[in-house]
Amino acid sequence: QVQLVQSGTEIKRPGASVKVSCQTSGYTFTSHGVTWVRQAPGQGLEWMGWISGYNGNTYYAQNFHGRITMTRDTSTRTAYMELRNLRSDDTAVYYCARQLNFGDPEYWGQGTLVTVSS
Amino acid sequence: NFMLTQPHSVSESPGKTVSISCTRSSGSIASNYVLWYQQRPGSVPTTVIYENNQRPSGVPDRFSGSIDTSSNSASLTISGLQTEDEAHYYCKSYDSRSQVFGGGTKLTVL
Repeated sequence: QVQLVQSGTEIKRPGASVKVSCQTSGYTFTSHGVTWVRQAPGQGLEWMGWISGYNGNTYYAQNFHGRITMTRDTSTRTAYMELRNLRSDDTAVYYCARQLNFGDPEYWGQGTLVTVSS
Repeated sequence: NFMLTQPHSVSESPGKTVSISCTRSSGSIASNYVLWYQQRPGSVPTTVIYENNQRPSGVPDRFSGSIDTSSNSASLTISGLQTEDEAHYYCKSYDSRSQVFGGGTKLTVL
Protein backbone atom coordinates (compact mmCIF):
# COMPACT_ATOMS: atom_id res chain seq x y z
CA GLN A 1 0.00 0.00 0.00
CA VAL A 2 1.05 3.59 -0.57
CA GLN A 3 2.91 5.10 2.36
CA LEU A 4 4.60 8.44 2.91
CA VAL A 5 6.53 8.61 6.18
CA GLN A 6 7.90 11.98 7.21
CA SER A 7 10.76 12.85 9.51
CA GLY A 8 10.11 13.87 13.10
CA THR A 9 9.41 17.06 14.97
CA GLU A 10 11.95 19.87 14.62
CA ILE A 11 12.67 22.86 16.84
CA LYS A 12 14.70 25.61 15.20
CA ARG A 13 15.99 29.08 16.04
CA PRO A 14 15.05 32.06 13.85
CA GLY A 15 17.43 32.32 10.93
CA ALA A 16 18.18 28.60 10.87
CA SER A 17 17.23 26.08 8.18
CA VAL A 18 15.14 22.93 8.34
CA LYS A 19 15.10 19.94 6.00
CA VAL A 20 12.09 17.64 6.18
CA SER A 21 12.20 14.23 4.56
CA CYS A 22 9.39 12.17 3.10
CA GLN A 23 10.15 8.48 2.52
CA THR A 24 7.74 6.81 0.13
CA SER A 25 6.77 3.24 -0.64
CA GLY A 26 4.05 1.25 -2.34
CA TYR A 27 4.10 2.97 -5.73
CA THR A 28 6.41 3.82 -8.61
CA PHE A 29 8.26 6.85 -7.24
CA THR A 30 9.31 8.23 -10.63
CA SER A 31 5.74 8.15 -11.96
CA HIS A 32 4.42 10.69 -9.48
CA GLY A 33 5.36 14.04 -8.05
CA VAL A 34 5.48 15.09 -4.42
CA THR A 35 3.73 18.23 -3.28
CA TRP A 36 4.44 20.04 -0.02
CA VAL A 37 1.75 21.84 1.98
CA ARG A 38 2.01 23.53 5.36
CA GLN A 39 -0.50 24.53 8.01
CA ALA A 40 0.29 27.06 10.73
CA PRO A 41 -1.45 26.57 14.08
CA GLY A 42 -5.15 27.34 13.74
CA GLN A 43 -4.68 28.40 10.12
CA GLY A 44 -5.50 27.04 6.69
CA LEU A 45 -3.57 24.96 4.20
CA GLU A 46 -0.81 26.63 2.20
CA TRP A 47 0.68 25.04 -0.91
CA MET A 48 4.48 25.35 -0.95
CA GLY A 49 5.59 23.58 -4.08
CA TRP A 50 5.81 20.39 -6.12
CA ILE A 51 8.69 18.27 -7.37
CA SER A 52 8.59 15.73 -10.15
CA GLY A 53 9.65 12.26 -9.11
CA TYR A 54 10.68 11.63 -12.69
CA ASN A 55 13.15 14.44 -13.44
CA GLY A 56 13.26 16.62 -10.31
CA ASN A 57 11.60 19.61 -11.96
CA THR A 58 10.16 21.95 -9.36
CA TYR A 59 7.45 24.54 -8.99
CA TYR A 60 7.50 26.76 -5.92
CA ALA A 61 4.87 29.07 -4.50
CA GLN A 62 5.89 32.70 -4.88
CA ASN A 63 5.76 33.22 -1.12
CA PHE A 64 8.76 30.92 -0.69
CA HIS A 65 10.91 31.80 -3.66
CA GLY A 66 14.53 32.16 -2.61
CA ARG A 67 14.05 30.35 0.73
CA ILE A 68 12.91 26.89 -0.37
CA THR A 69 14.52 23.98 -2.15
CA MET A 70 12.83 20.68 -2.95
CA THR A 71 14.90 17.68 -3.95
CA ARG A 72 14.41 13.97 -4.31
CA ASP A 73 16.55 10.84 -4.19
CA THR A 74 15.20 8.17 -6.50
CA SER A 75 17.47 5.49 -5.02
CA THR A 76 15.83 5.82 -1.60
CA ARG A 77 12.44 6.98 -2.90
CA THR A 78 12.67 10.00 -0.63
CA ALA A 79 11.65 13.60 -1.19
CA TYR A 80 13.09 16.51 0.77
CA MET A 81 11.94 20.05 1.49
CA GLU A 82 14.45 22.56 2.85
CA LEU A 83 13.31 25.94 4.14
CA ARG A 84 15.96 28.52 5.01
CA ASN A 85 16.11 31.70 7.06
CA LEU A 86 13.30 30.51 9.30
CA ARG A 87 11.00 32.97 11.02
CA SER A 88 8.54 32.48 13.84
CA ASP A 89 5.66 32.49 11.36
CA ASP A 90 7.16 29.42 9.69
CA THR A 91 5.98 27.44 12.71
CA ALA A 92 3.62 24.91 11.17
CA VAL A 93 2.88 21.32 10.37
CA TYR A 94 4.53 20.48 7.05
CA TYR A 95 2.92 17.78 4.90
CA CYS A 96 4.28 15.93 1.92
CA ALA A 97 1.85 14.24 -0.43
CA ARG A 98 2.11 12.05 -3.48
CA GLN A 99 0.52 13.87 -6.40
CA LEU A 100 0.66 12.82 -10.00
CA ASN A 101 0.29 16.34 -11.39
CA PHE A 102 -1.36 19.64 -10.45
CA GLY A 103 -5.04 19.07 -9.97
CA ASP A 104 -4.76 15.40 -9.10
CA PRO A 105 -5.80 14.19 -5.65
CA GLU A 106 -3.02 13.75 -3.12
CA TYR A 107 -2.01 10.88 -0.88
CA TRP A 108 -0.74 12.53 2.32
CA GLY A 109 2.08 11.89 4.75
CA GLN A 110 1.47 12.19 8.47
CA GLY A 111 2.91 15.69 8.80
CA THR A 112 6.00 17.11 10.51
CA LEU A 113 5.76 19.81 13.16
CA VAL A 114 8.40 22.50 12.79
CA THR A 115 8.59 25.03 15.61
CA VAL A 116 10.65 28.18 15.17
CA SER A 117 11.37 29.90 18.43
CA SER A 118 14.19 31.75 20.11
CA ASN B 1 -1.46 34.38 -9.40
CA PHE B 2 -5.08 34.04 -8.31
CA MET B 3 -6.93 33.63 -5.02
CA LEU B 4 -9.78 31.40 -3.92
CA THR B 5 -12.22 32.96 -1.48
CA GLN B 6 -14.40 30.89 0.83
CA PRO B 7 -16.79 31.93 3.59
CA HIS B 8 -15.12 31.75 6.96
CA SER B 9 -17.88 29.64 8.48
CA VAL B 10 -21.26 28.08 7.82
CA SER B 11 -23.66 26.25 10.08
CA GLU B 12 -26.69 24.09 9.55
CA SER B 13 -28.79 21.52 11.34
CA PRO B 14 -28.49 17.75 11.02
CA GLY B 15 -30.39 16.37 8.06
CA LYS B 16 -30.30 19.67 6.16
CA THR B 17 -28.28 20.64 3.11
CA VAL B 18 -25.42 23.15 3.07
CA SER B 19 -23.33 24.61 0.27
CA ILE B 20 -19.85 26.12 0.58
CA SER B 21 -18.68 28.47 -2.14
CA CYS B 22 -15.21 29.04 -3.52
CA THR B 23 -14.75 32.05 -5.79
CA ARG B 24 -11.75 32.40 -8.08
CA SER B 25 -10.33 35.93 -8.30
CA SER B 26 -8.88 35.80 -11.79
CA GLY B 27 -8.88 33.32 -14.61
CA SER B 28 -11.84 31.11 -15.36
CA ILE B 29 -13.02 28.64 -12.75
CA ALA B 30 -13.56 26.25 -15.64
CA SER B 31 -9.95 26.42 -16.83
CA ASN B 32 -8.61 24.09 -14.14
CA TYR B 33 -10.20 21.46 -11.93
CA VAL B 34 -11.33 22.26 -8.40
CA LEU B 35 -10.77 19.87 -5.53
CA TRP B 36 -12.35 19.90 -2.08
CA TYR B 37 -10.80 18.63 1.15
CA GLN B 38 -12.25 17.81 4.54
CA GLN B 39 -10.06 18.24 7.61
CA ARG B 40 -11.15 17.25 11.07
CA PRO B 41 -9.21 18.63 14.07
CA GLY B 42 -5.84 16.98 14.47
CA SER B 43 -6.17 15.00 11.25
CA VAL B 44 -4.63 15.01 7.81
CA PRO B 45 -6.82 16.50 5.05
CA THR B 46 -8.78 14.06 2.91
CA THR B 47 -10.13 14.63 -0.58
CA VAL B 48 -13.91 14.63 -0.85
CA ILE B 49 -14.21 15.98 -4.42
CA TYR B 50 -11.77 16.04 -7.33
CA GLU B 51 -12.12 17.11 -10.96
CA ASN B 52 -14.89 19.55 -9.92
CA ASN B 53 -17.49 16.89 -9.18
CA GLN B 54 -15.93 13.47 -8.78
CA ARG B 55 -16.02 11.59 -5.49
CA PRO B 56 -13.16 9.34 -4.40
CA SER B 57 -14.20 5.86 -3.42
CA GLY B 58 -15.47 5.82 0.14
CA VAL B 59 -16.88 9.35 0.08
CA PRO B 60 -20.67 9.28 0.52
CA ASP B 61 -22.84 10.51 -2.32
CA ARG B 62 -24.16 13.14 0.10
CA PHE B 63 -21.10 15.12 -1.03
CA SER B 64 -21.26 16.78 -4.45
CA GLY B 65 -19.31 19.43 -6.29
CA SER B 66 -20.09 21.84 -9.07
CA ILE B 67 -18.76 24.92 -10.82
CA ASP B 68 -20.63 28.03 -12.01
CA THR B 69 -18.90 30.05 -14.69
CA SER B 70 -21.31 32.98 -14.29
CA SER B 71 -20.05 33.61 -10.76
CA ASN B 72 -16.60 32.13 -11.43
CA SER B 73 -17.04 29.92 -8.43
CA ALA B 74 -17.17 26.33 -7.30
CA SER B 75 -19.45 24.85 -4.68
CA LEU B 76 -19.35 21.91 -2.34
CA THR B 77 -22.81 20.72 -1.33
CA ILE B 78 -23.40 18.32 1.53
CA SER B 79 -26.90 16.93 1.88
CA GLY B 80 -28.38 14.99 4.79
CA LEU B 81 -25.91 16.63 7.16
CA GLN B 82 -24.52 14.45 9.90
CA THR B 83 -22.65 15.51 13.01
CA GLU B 84 -19.56 13.73 11.66
CA ASP B 85 -19.49 16.23 8.75
CA GLU B 86 -18.46 18.97 11.17
CA ALA B 87 -14.98 19.93 9.97
CA HIS B 88 -13.00 22.48 7.99
CA TYR B 89 -13.40 22.33 4.23
CA TYR B 90 -10.88 23.69 1.75
CA CYS B 91 -11.13 24.18 -1.99
CA LYS B 92 -8.07 24.09 -4.20
CA SER B 93 -7.33 24.83 -7.82
CA TYR B 94 -4.28 25.57 -9.90
CA ASP B 95 -2.74 27.19 -12.94
CA SER B 96 0.27 26.25 -15.01
CA ARG B 97 2.79 27.00 -12.27
CA SER B 98 1.06 26.89 -8.91
CA GLN B 99 -1.67 25.41 -6.80
CA VAL B 100 -3.81 27.56 -4.54
CA PHE B 101 -5.96 26.68 -1.53
CA GLY B 102 -8.95 28.66 -0.41
CA GLY B 103 -8.81 29.99 3.12
CA GLY B 104 -11.08 27.27 4.43
CA THR B 105 -14.62 27.11 5.80
CA LYS B 106 -15.55 25.86 9.24
CA LEU B 107 -18.75 23.80 8.99
CA THR B 108 -20.71 23.52 12.21
CA VAL B 109 -23.53 20.99 12.38
CA LEU B 110 -25.76 22.02 15.25
